[in-house]
Amino acid sequence: DAGVIQSPRHEVTEMGQEVTLRCKPISGHDYLFWYRQTMMRGLELLIYFNNNVPIDDSGMPEDRFSAKMPNASFSTLKIQPSEPRDSAVYFCASSLGPSGTYNEQFFGPGTRLTVL
Amino acid sequence: SQQGEEDPQALSIQEGENATMNCSYKTSINNLQWYRQNSGRGLVHLILIRSNEREKHSGRLRVTLDTSKKSSSLLITASRAADTASYFCATDGGSSNTGKLIFGQGTTLQVKP
Repeated sequence: DAGVIQSPRHEVTEMGQEVTLRCKPISGHDYLFWYRQTMMRGLELLIYFNNNVPIDDSGMPEDRFSAKMPNASFSTLKIQPSEPRDSAVYFCASSLGPSGTYNEQFFGPGTRLTVL
Repeated sequence: SQQGEEDPQALSIQEGENATMNCSYKTSINNLQWYRQNSGRGLVHLILIRSNEREKHSGRLRVTLDTSKKSSSLLITASRAADTASYFCATDGGSSNTGKLIFGQGTTLQVKP
């Protein structure tokens, strides 16, 4: 298996533009997570899905952020409009089952977003 | 708020020495996990310890868990330059059906050759 796949790996955009990050989880994994990592705030969970349904989006910073999972093999995280403070590395991760029942998460390589 | 807090924030040792990192958490747990992150890469799972376990080994890694103190430690023995990375603990918050993990801020380990 190729692992969790994210695209693009790097994204540079200007303030106000729409940004779409993409993720393909490991086949057969029922859980998908989106994280954001910055030096100041560390690793933050933004949202996670179970069987394509959003379960907890309490970490989504504001209405400018939205995430979808139209099918089991694809998810997007969209920022519209983007702001410089959104600059971070965004990770997608997936797991076979819930963390509460001893399942590890598998992380993608991340997308480094820079908003100018 | 952070569930896991690692200590120290940064650690620098010589190759061959042992490295110990500590993690404290606030709520009950079903399990605690340790992850490694090399610079510019995603996190990689290292080891999972269940709440009813006190110690677990995997190669040069040894993890202990003290649920009465709500703390865990990760010991890397005979460290190598390739162990240079950030190490994170993560907990599930105690609910068996929760999907998510809550990560600490991490310990940055530098192993000098």
